[in-house]
Amino acid sequence: AQSVTQLDSQVPVFEEAPVELRCNYSSSVSVYLFWYVQYPNQGLQLLLKYLSGSTLVKGINGFEAEFNKSQTSFHLRKPSVHISDTAEYFCAVSGGATNKLIFGTGTLLAVQP
Amino acid sequence: EAGVAQSPRYKIIEKRQSVAFWCNPISGHATLYWYQQILGQGPKLLIQFQNNGVVDDSQLPKDRFSAERLKGVDSTLKIQPAKLEDSAVYLCASSLGLSSYTEAFFGQGTRLTVV
Repeated sequence: AQSVTQLDSQVPVFEEAPVELRCNYSSSVSVYLFWYVQYPNQGLQLLLKYLSGSTLVKGINGFEAEFNKSQTSFHLRKPSVHISDTAEYFCAVSGGATNKLIFGTGTLLAVQP
Repeated sequence: EAGVAQSPRYKIIEKRQSVAFWCNPISGHATLYWYQQILGQGPKLLIQFQNNGVVDDSQLPKDRFSAERLKGVDSTLKIQPAKLEDSAVYLCASSLGLSSYTEAFFGQGTRLTVV
């Protein structure tokens, strides 16, 4: 079975500061990893994904994430955040034959001026 | 390209009533998912279709929830009777196929409030 853990339910940060949102996963099979963003009253939008190859993945809006197999982590980073980055961020994992997408509990990124 | 369409956007019902949600996936997408997102939690997969067949419904409360995908395109999710704990956002998503590297695209969701 696969699972995802997002340890931080909320991350407050000042505008233009760097941020890291943590994600750890567990799986008995090879996995694919995703970060989704959800703005208020909106659906989920894909930020970036790791399928294979380079462990550093770049996504939209200046976000990037690094896949670390030994630590089973896929942390999301941005060097300088904006007010508009305030949203809920979900880490997700899929793998196996059915492409079942399992989500973490989410991290609210609250950017303050 | 049109995205995943869901309706209604909002619904308020009394407990023990029934309710249905509709989803129209992106054209050509064979896989369709229904997720339940309770406030403060991550989305939980309720059911996954491949064309009009069910791939996974292990977390669907089958005593009150049902879903169908006729002709492998549109899908409806029904709750009958509703309970207070069913209050949540119901998200529909679609992807091209079962391959794990196929991106899932999400609709805006239906926010259900059971009073």
